[in-house]
Amino acid sequence: DAMVIQNPRYQVTQFGKPVTLSCSQTLNHNVMYWYQQKSSQAPKLLFHYYDKDFNNEADTPDNFQSRRPNTSFCFLDIRSPGLGDAAMYLCATSRDMGAQETQYFGPGTRLLVL
Amino acid sequence: GDSVTQMEGPVTLSEEAFLTINCTYTATGYPSLFWYVQYPGEGLQLLLKATKADDKGSNKGFEATYRKETTSFHLEKGSVQVSDSAVYFCALGETSGSRLTFGEGTQLTVNP
Repeated sequence: DAMVIQNPRYQVTQFGKPVTLSCSQTLNHNVMYWYQQKSSQAPKLLFHYYDKDFNNEADTPDNFQSRRPNTSFCFLDIRSPGLGDAAMYLCATSRDMGAQETQYFGPGTRLLVL
Repeated sequence: GDSVTQMEGPVTLSEEAFLTINCTYTATGYPSLFWYVQYPGEGLQLLLKATKADDKGSNKGFEATYRKETTSFHLEKGSVQVSDSAVYFCALGETSGSRLTFGEGTQLTVNP
Protein backbone atom coordinates (compact mmCIF):
# COMPACT_ATOMS: atom_id res chain seq x y z
CA ASP A 1 0.00 0.00 0.00
CA ALA A 2 1.14 3.52 -0.76
CA MET A 3 1.89 5.31 2.44
CA VAL A 4 3.75 7.87 4.52
CA ILE A 5 6.40 6.38 6.80
CA GLN A 6 8.07 8.07 9.74
CA ASN A 7 11.10 6.83 11.60
CA PRO A 8 11.65 6.44 14.41
CA ARG A 9 8.25 6.35 16.12
CA TYR A 10 9.84 7.46 19.37
CA GLN A 11 12.97 9.54 19.75
CA VAL A 12 14.71 10.56 22.94
CA THR A 13 17.33 13.28 22.84
CA GLN A 14 19.19 15.44 25.30
CA PHE A 15 18.73 19.14 25.78
CA GLY A 16 20.78 20.91 23.10
CA LYS A 17 21.75 17.76 21.20
CA PRO A 18 20.85 17.93 17.49
CA VAL A 19 18.28 15.44 16.33
CA THR A 20 16.92 14.44 12.91
CA LEU A 21 13.53 12.96 12.19
CA SER A 22 12.83 11.28 8.89
CA CYS A 23 9.83 10.85 6.63
CA SER A 24 9.43 8.90 3.43
CA GLN A 25 6.51 8.44 1.08
CA THR A 26 5.57 5.97 -1.62
CA LEU A 27 2.71 8.13 -2.93
CA ASN A 28 4.94 10.11 -5.31
CA HIS A 29 3.35 13.31 -4.06
CA ASN A 30 4.78 16.70 -4.89
CA VAL A 31 4.21 18.35 -1.51
CA MET A 32 5.58 17.28 1.86
CA TYR A 33 4.79 18.95 5.19
CA TRP A 34 6.05 18.92 8.75
CA TYR A 35 3.68 19.63 11.62
CA GLN A 36 4.34 19.94 15.34
CA GLN A 37 1.63 18.71 17.68
CA LYS A 38 1.92 19.31 21.39
CA SER A 39 -0.16 17.39 23.89
CA SER A 40 -3.92 17.92 23.48
CA GLN A 41 -3.39 20.59 20.83
CA ALA A 42 -4.03 20.90 17.13
CA PRO A 43 -1.16 20.24 14.71
CA LYS A 44 0.80 23.35 13.78
CA LEU A 45 2.45 23.63 10.39
CA LEU A 46 6.20 24.27 10.56
CA PHE A 47 7.06 24.25 6.84
CA HIS A 48 6.42 22.50 3.58
CA TYR A 49 8.17 21.62 0.34
CA TYR A 50 6.55 21.87 -3.05
CA ASP A 51 8.94 19.70 -5.01
CA LYS A 52 12.28 21.35 -4.13
CA ASP A 53 10.80 24.71 -3.16
CA PHE A 54 10.95 25.26 0.59
CA ASN A 55 8.23 27.30 2.34
CA ASN A 56 8.77 28.25 5.95
CA GLU A 57 5.92 29.40 8.19
CA ALA A 58 6.56 32.87 9.57
CA ASP A 59 6.51 31.77 13.20
CA THR A 60 8.64 28.64 12.86
CA PRO A 61 11.72 29.02 15.07
CA ASP A 62 15.13 29.12 13.38
CA ASN A 63 16.02 26.06 15.45
CA PHE A 64 13.95 23.98 13.04
CA GLN A 65 15.32 23.16 9.60
CA SER A 66 14.29 20.78 6.86
CA ARG A 67 15.83 18.96 3.91
CA ARG A 68 14.26 17.19 0.99
CA PRO A 69 16.99 15.39 -0.95
CA ASN A 70 14.56 13.72 -3.35
CA THR A 71 10.83 13.25 -3.97
CA SER A 72 10.49 10.40 -1.51
CA PHE A 73 12.32 11.67 1.56
CA CYS A 74 12.08 14.68 3.83
CA PHE A 75 13.96 15.35 7.07
CA LEU A 76 13.29 17.56 10.05
CA ASP A 77 16.41 18.80 11.84
CA ILE A 78 16.20 20.35 15.27
CA ARG A 79 19.55 22.01 15.85
CA SER A 80 19.40 22.56 19.59
CA PRO A 81 16.31 20.96 21.12
CA GLY A 82 14.82 22.61 24.15
CA LEU A 83 12.38 21.16 26.63
CA GLY A 84 9.60 23.03 24.86
CA ASP A 85 10.28 21.12 21.64
CA ALA A 86 9.01 17.87 23.12
CA ALA A 87 6.02 17.01 20.94
CA MET A 88 4.66 14.69 18.29
CA TYR A 89 6.06 15.55 14.86
CA LEU A 90 3.81 14.67 11.95
CA CYS A 91 4.83 14.38 8.33
CA ALA A 92 2.17 14.72 5.64
CA THR A 93 2.03 14.70 1.86
CA SER A 94 -0.35 15.92 -0.81
CA ARG A 95 -0.41 15.37 -4.52
CA ASP A 96 -0.43 19.05 -5.33
CA MET A 97 -1.18 22.49 -3.91
CA GLY A 98 -4.74 23.74 -3.55
CA ALA A 99 -7.58 23.96 -1.04
CA GLN A 100 -9.16 20.68 -2.13
CA GLU A 101 -6.01 18.61 -1.91
CA THR A 102 -6.10 15.94 0.78
CA GLN A 103 -3.10 15.69 3.06
CA TYR A 104 -2.01 12.17 4.03
CA PHE A 105 -0.32 11.86 7.38
CA GLY A 106 2.29 9.50 8.70
CA PRO A 107 2.03 7.90 12.16
CA GLY A 108 4.22 10.57 13.73
CA THR A 109 7.44 10.63 15.74
CA ARG A 110 7.12 11.41 19.42
CA LEU A 111 10.14 13.40 20.58
CA LEU A 112 11.19 13.47 24.21
CA VAL A 113 13.83 15.96 25.33
CA LEU A 114 15.68 15.18 28.56
CA GLY B 1 -6.94 35.04 8.88
CA ASP B 2 -8.81 31.79 8.42
CA SER B 3 -9.88 29.93 11.55
CA VAL B 4 -11.81 26.88 12.71
CA THR B 5 -13.79 26.54 15.93
CA GLN B 6 -14.84 23.15 17.27
CA MET B 7 -17.12 22.32 20.13
CA GLU B 8 -15.24 21.79 23.32
CA GLY B 9 -14.73 18.29 24.61
CA PRO B 10 -14.38 15.82 25.92
CA VAL B 11 -17.54 14.11 24.72
CA THR B 12 -18.61 10.85 26.36
CA LEU B 13 -21.36 8.72 24.85
CA SER B 14 -22.79 5.27 25.25
CA GLU B 15 -22.53 2.79 22.42
CA GLU B 16 -25.24 3.29 19.74
CA ALA B 17 -25.84 6.91 20.76
CA PHE B 18 -26.11 9.71 18.19
CA LEU B 19 -23.03 11.86 17.73
CA THR B 20 -22.74 15.49 16.71
CA ILE B 21 -19.49 17.44 16.86
CA ASN B 22 -19.93 21.06 15.88
CA CYS B 23 -17.47 22.87 13.65
CA THR B 24 -17.69 26.41 12.34
CA TYR B 25 -15.18 28.31 10.28
CA THR B 26 -14.11 31.76 9.16
CA ALA B 27 -12.46 32.00 5.78
CA THR B 28 -11.98 34.09 2.70
CA GLY B 29 -12.50 32.64 -0.73
CA TYR B 30 -13.63 29.06 -1.26
CA PRO B 31 -12.02 26.74 1.26
CA SER B 32 -12.35 23.00 1.43
CA LEU B 33 -13.36 21.37 4.70
CA PHE B 34 -12.08 18.16 6.24
CA TRP B 35 -12.59 15.94 9.24
CA TYR B 36 -9.56 14.01 10.44
CA VAL B 37 -9.49 11.39 13.19
CA GLN B 38 -6.54 10.63 15.46
CA TYR B 39 -6.40 7.41 17.47
CA PRO B 40 -4.16 7.31 20.56
CA GLY B 41 -0.47 7.51 19.67
CA GLU B 42 -1.17 7.66 15.94
CA GLY B 43 -1.11 10.20 13.13
CA LEU B 44 -4.15 11.80 11.57
CA GLN B 45 -6.38 9.87 9.20
CA LEU B 46 -8.74 11.55 6.78
CA LEU B 47 -12.32 10.73 7.72
CA LEU B 48 -14.20 12.75 5.11
CA LYS B 49 -14.06 15.96 3.14
CA ALA B 50 -16.17 18.43 1.15
CA THR B 51 -14.79 20.84 -1.41
CA LYS B 52 -17.73 23.15 -2.12
CA ALA B 53 -20.93 24.46 -0.58
CA ASP B 54 -23.72 21.90 -0.05
CA ASP B 55 -21.36 18.98 -0.62
CA LYS B 56 -21.81 16.11 1.82
CA GLY B 57 -18.82 14.06 2.83
CA SER B 58 -19.40 10.59 4.23
CA ASN B 59 -17.34 7.63 5.38
CA LYS B 60 -17.76 4.75 7.85
CA GLY B 61 -21.19 6.00 8.91
CA PHE B 62 -19.96 9.55 9.56
CA GLU B 63 -21.39 12.47 7.61
CA ALA B 64 -20.82 16.21 7.36
CA THR B 65 -22.38 18.82 5.06
CA TYR B 66 -20.57 21.98 3.94
CA ARG B 67 -22.99 24.80 4.85
CA LYS B 68 -21.83 28.14 3.50
CA GLU B 69 -24.80 30.07 4.88
CA THR B 70 -23.99 29.05 8.45
CA THR B 71 -20.22 28.56 7.85
CA SER B 72 -20.45 25.13 9.42
CA PHE B 73 -19.31 21.55 8.84
CA HIS B 74 -20.77 19.56 11.71
CA LEU B 75 -19.82 15.89 12.04
CA GLU B 76 -22.60 13.38 12.69
CA LYS B 77 -22.97 9.66 13.16
CA GLY B 78 -26.21 7.87 13.88
CA SER B 79 -24.85 5.10 16.09
CA VAL B 80 -21.37 5.27 17.58
CA GLN B 81 -19.23 2.29 18.51
CA VAL B 82 -16.52 1.85 21.13
CA SER B 83 -13.99 1.75 18.27
CA ASP B 84 -14.95 5.35 17.36
CA SER B 85 -13.22 6.59 20.50
CA ALA B 86 -10.57 9.03 19.26
CA VAL B 87 -9.83 12.73 18.80
CA TYR B 88 -11.64 14.38 15.90
CA PHE B 89 -10.20 17.44 14.14
CA CYS B 90 -12.10 19.74 11.84
CA ALA B 91 -9.79 21.41 9.32
CA LEU B 92 -10.00 24.01 6.59
CA GLY B 93 -7.97 23.94 3.40
CA GLU B 94 -7.12 27.54 2.55
CA THR B 95 -7.76 28.76 -0.96
CA SER B 96 -4.41 30.56 -0.98
CA GLY B 97 -2.41 27.36 -0.85
CA SER B 98 -2.11 24.01 0.82
CA ARG B 99 -2.12 25.06 4.44
CA LEU B 100 -4.58 23.20 6.66
CA THR B 101 -5.99 25.19 9.55
CA PHE B 102 -7.14 22.86 12.31
CA GLY B 103 -9.65 23.25 15.08
CA GLU B 104 -8.57 22.37 18.59
CA GLY B 105 -9.87 18.81 18.39
CA THR B 106 -12.66 17.03 20.23
CA GLN B 107 -11.94 13.96 22.34
CA LEU B 108 -14.69 11.35 21.95
CA THR B 109 -15.04 8.43 24.34
CA VAL B 110 -17.66 5.77 23.66
CA ASN B 111 -18.50 3.45 26.53
CA PRO B 112 -19.93 -0.06 26.06
